[in-house]
Amino acid sequence: NAGVMQNPRHLVRRRGQEARLRCSPMKGHSHVYWYRQLPEEGLKFMVYLQKENIIDESGMPKERFSAEFPKEGPSILRIQQVVRGDSAAYFCASSADGTTNEKLFFGSGTQLSVL
Amino acid sequence: AQSVTQPDIHITVSEGASLELRCNYSYGATPYLFWYVQSPGQGLQLLLKYFSGDTLVQGIKGFEAEFKRSQSSFNLRKPSVHWSDAAEYFCAVPSSGGYNKLIFGAGTRLAVHP
Repeated sequence: NAGVMQNPRHLVRRRGQEARLRCSPMKGHSHVYWYRQLPEEGLKFMVYLQKENIIDESGMPKERFSAEFPKEGPSILRIQQVVRGDSAAYFCASSADGTTNEKLFFGSGTQLSVL
Repeated sequence: AQSVTQPDIHITVSEGASLELRCNYSYGATPYLFWYVQSPGQGLQLLLKYFSGDTLVQGIKGFEAEFKRSQSSFNLRKPSVHWSDAAEYFCAVPSSGGYNKLIFGAGTRLAVHP
């Protein structure tokens, strides 16, 4: 049973370009969370999605960032017109249900570097 | 509002020595508490969690943590550290909402000397 798969592992973009980060949850998991880790900081919650629904996007920047989790295929975190401050590690996690006592499984992350 | 503080940014110990990583939390009710470990280039792995009951929680890799309500602490311990324990350790509590929206501390980076 493969774990949470994120790709790419490393993504380099120039300022103004778009970044697309993909996350395939564990098999059987329909709840996906995205977190961002800035250098020397802990992870910060960005968004929580279930299939085809955004449940909580309170941690998403108001502009340029969007997320989706379609009925088929991986969850996508999209960053438009990237800036240097977007450089960070982006982690996806999944769980079988959304409750706190359900174990959260993390992917290995995508390291985004903006030149 | 819920919050987590990890006072130690870096800790260095010798292999075989004991370890204690500190975590203090602010939480409105009886907290759920988690410790995660992040090895270089890897995602986070759950070490242990406290929900209720026995305040001494056993986890994987020989780690344990003790919940102390009077001190608002949930410190992580290991009696004898191995070189492979070098990693970054994060304490976390859930945010409001009842789902897996976690608030993480800033982390403690552990170095192990041979």
